[in-house]
Amino acid sequence: NAGVMQNPRHLVRRRGQEARLRCSPMKGHSHVYWYRQLPEEGLKFMVYLQKENIIDESGMPKERFSAEFPKEGPSILRIQQVVRGDSAAYFCASSLLAGGPNEQFFGPGTRLTVL
Amino acid sequence: AQSVSQHNHHVILSEAASLELGCNYSYGGTVNLFWYVQYPGQHLQLLLKYFSGDPLVKGIKGFEAEFIKSKFSFNLRKPSVQWSDTAEYFCAVNGLGANNLFFGTGTRLTVIP
Repeated sequence: NAGVMQNPRHLVRRRGQEARLRCSPMKGHSHVYWYRQLPEEGLKFMVYLQKENIIDESGMPKERFSAEFPKEGPSILRIQQVVRGDSAAYFCASSLLAGGPNEQFFGPGTRLTVL
Repeated sequence: AQSVSQHNHHVILSEAASLELGCNYSYGGTVNLFWYVQYPGQHLQLLLKYFSGDPLVKGIKGFEAEFIKSKFSFNLRKPSVQWSDTAEYFCAVNGLGANNLFFGTGTRLTVIP
C-alpha cells in the first residue's frame, strides 16, 4: 500500500520561473493538505483541499501561490514567479477522514531551491 | 493565537539514557495533540496522538506522552533510548474539528552508541 507520493523530491528554479509540486495521496484518501517548512522553522499549514474543492486556504500567500486537487490526478501546488524566499521544503499530507484527531499521513516532501 | 513551543532544539543522549522532550501549546478550546518523528532521509511518521480519555498515551517504539491540561503540555518520553531513535521530533496540535495542524519547530535527537 503506497504512501503519500510527492514529486519531484528536489526542484531548482531561477527567480521568476514557475514551480509545480505534485502530490498523490494515499489510496482511498480524498483529503489533502499542503505545509511549508522554512529553514529552522516548523511546518506551517498552507491549504486544505478535497477533490475539486479548496476547503481552507488560510495559510496560502495571497499572491503567486495556488493549489488544486482535480477529480483525476494528483494535487498540484503551483508557485508563479518564484523568489528566493520561496526556498523551502513543501510537504503534502493526506487523510481518510477530515479534521480533528484523524491522522494525516505525510509525503517525503519537495525541497525547492530558488537561485 | 495558536502556537506550539518545543524548547529543546537539539538533544544529545547516550544509549539507554531516558528521554523527555518538552512540548507546550497555546490553543483555545479542546485540542488534539500529536507527536511525529522524522528519521534521517524519511518522511514524517506519527508516533502517537491524544484526543480524549487517558492522558497518558502510549505510542510505537516504546514512546509515551502525557497530556497535562493545566500546564498546556504534552511531553514525549522514552525510558531507554536506542541509537535508532536518532531523528527529528515534532509536536503538533489542532482543535476539535479543525483541519490543519500547528507544528512546533522540532527537536533534533542524537543518540550516541
